[in-house]
Amino acid sequence: QSVLTQPPSASGTPGQRVIIPCSGSTSNIGSNYVYWYQQFPGMAPRLLIYRNNQRPSGVPDRFSGSKSGTSASLAISGLRSEDEADYYCAAWDDSLSGVVFGGGTKLTVL
Amino acid sequence: EVQLVESGGGLVQPGGSLRLSCAASGFTFSTYTMNWVRQAPGKGLEWVSFISSSSNTIYYADSVKGRFTISRDNAKNSLYLQMNSLRDEDTAIYYCARDQAPGWHDYWGQGTLVTVSS
Repeated sequence: QSVLTQPPSASGTPGQRVIIPCSGSTSNIGSNYVYWYQQFPGMAPRLLIYRNNQRPSGVPDRFSGSKSGTSASLAISGLRSEDEADYYCAAWDDSLSGVVFGGGTKLTVL
Repeated sequence: EVQLVESGGGLVQPGGSLRLSCAASGFTFSTYTMNWVRQAPGKGLEWVSFISSSSNTIYYADSVKGRFTISRDNAKNSLYLQMNSLRDEDTAIYYCARDQAPGWHDYWGQGTLVTVSS
């Protein structure tokens, strides 16, 4: 059971906008930044969003992050087939003194 | 170019030990905090341990506390994870990851597979 809660799956058609939610608590999302990672099968994770809503260089602006209270979300607009991957949210947890991850959301592009 | 290369994985029996290494290059290793993150087969990401740039601050996940020891050698640009009393549930790909801030893992290695089985 992951500390951060994500739906196990999400899907959309090409060009659509998809939102992946991430729910936490006051000790993690509520008091710290949220990060999002993208992982393709057999590959290492890749940083997608940092500090709630910032994109590293090289990440398309189709990807955006937001945070409100103890929840966060990743939005992918203009969905493309190459976006099919697993997505994880993460945050520091003050009570656990460690990083907590969501269980991951497998995105399928129909 | 930032590179993180893990090594030391393999097959080990339950109760055994293994030492993982992560060789860093392309950045000033001594100024960054580092982490180990693992992923069991077909499962999600699990943070394992954190070490500050000067090794003054170290954290562990409850699942490995007392069994795993993280360390670093800034002179050798290397990060380590000593794993003792290994259990079946420690089977996973182990990634080393560089931090810009707690939780902000901006670079990851390719991972090394640890299999605990009799």
